[in-house]
Amino acid sequence: KNEVEQSPQNLTAQEGEFITINCSYSVGISALHWLQQHPGGGIVSLFMLSSGKKKHGRLIATINIQEKHSSLHITASHPRDSAVYICAVSGNQFYFGTGTSLTVIP
Amino acid sequence: DTAVSQTPKYLVTQMGNDKSIKCEQNLGHDTMYWYKQDSKKFLKIMFSYNNKELIINETVPNRFSPKSPDKAHLNLHINSLELGDSAVYFCASSLRAANTEAFFGQGTRLTVV
Repeated sequence: KNEVEQSPQNLTAQEGEFITINCSYSVGISALHWLQQHPGGGIVSLFMLSSGKKKHGRLIATINIQEKHSSLHITASHPRDSAVYICAVSGNQFYFGTGTSLTVIP
Repeated sequence: DTAVSQTPKYLVTQMGNDKSIKCEQNLGHDTMYWYKQDSKKFLKIMFSYNNKELIINETVPNRFSPKSPDKAHLNLHINSLELGDSAVYFCASSLRAANTEAFFGQGTRLTVV
């Protein structure tokens, strides 16, 4: 079993929809990271959080340390949000989720 | 200016060869990493390195070795390349250890034929 589980694996949404991607982890961590990988392959760090909630434009990330769970929300989704979203946790080492492939249809 | 840059972007080579991938960061970060992304897009950390400590993922074959000439560079050397080494390799850096935000390079797609 992977130390980091993401759901769903694949997600298709209509433009404008509210999107949620979930991440659960089973190891002790010092921080949780949300990464975005576009079809071109480059990886961008969206958030790093160790408690509470962070907001960046239309993106919101939350973490519940007690429940070992994090969510990434995208409000008013847009086709340019189409990408793979990867959850990663860091403590003694990094562990990665398998990614959620998001497609937003115009 | 690119924060974390890797070269080359694409690398095609024959089995048995030795190759290097270079990584440079201009962010003044203390810690650099190498990750491997396999054909199923699954990311796995290979190494993390600061000027004091090299942490190696125990699953990484010893044909892979990081070399750091200075704090801004962490190059990846691979000896005796195998077909299974084909993957995308990402370099990243962060200000301190794993609980700070990481910045990624664009990746190097290695194909071993």
